[in-house]
Amino acid sequence: GAVVSQHPSWVICKSGTSVKIECRSLDFQATTMFWYRQFPKQSLMLMATSNEGSKATYEQGVEKDKFLINHASLTLSTLTVTSAHPEDSSFYICSATGTGRAEAFFGQGTRLTVV
Amino acid sequence: AQSVAQPEDQVNVAEGNPLTVKCTYSVSGNPYLFWYVQYPNRGLQFLLKYITGDNLVKGSYGFEAEFNKSQTSFHLKKPSALVSDSALYFCAVFLTGGFKTIFGAGTRLFVKA
Repeated sequence: GAVVSQHPSWVICKSGTSVKIECRSLDFQATTMFWYRQFPKQSLMLMATSNEGSKATYEQGVEKDKFLINHASLTLSTLTVTSAHPEDSSFYICSATGTGRAEAFFGQGTRLTVV
Repeated sequence: AQSVAQPEDQVNVAEGNPLTVKCTYSVSGNPYLFWYVQYPNRGLQFLLKYITGDNLVKGSYGFEAEFNKSQTSFHLKKPSALVSDSALYFCAVFLTGGFKTIFGAGTRLFVKA
């Protein structure tokens, strides 16, 4: 199957700083990428959908100015958590799909801890 | 509203016994159905999918699932559970119209030796 690589796998940052998470499709062109957030013992909640070269579409309740998403190429999308606070601590997972594909492929996830 | 339901928060089974993790869905059109497994602090691993064809789908690690259109279900099964199967399992539906994946709440599987 297709491979999606997410980096870093874990990060600890100080409150008020920004953190960037990368999501790369290694062997296919990801026309659409998705960013999810997962709280402990809960399911994945879709944060936003991004199509290559256009602005991301955010789900209701997700602050677009706080969670900046860039999808500048067909193999890379980034999620930047700006001015992070402890309540932003969570597990973030990306997924990607491409033209003609019937499914999305998931990254390994990033554990963000804001202290 | 389109949704995926996993009615059991947790399933406990003894090693060697068969296991079933339930999933029902409510979506318009023909669903693309998936099962994923998640180990602690890891991303999702694909197990199997149903798009069309045979209702019984075989996937990774000996898992299988049966698509039942009349009951709108897609239960995950394995004939003989292993301790290493203990993990969090997610049922999901890929919406071809909206191009999104909707996840169930997840079911935690505990396999006891």
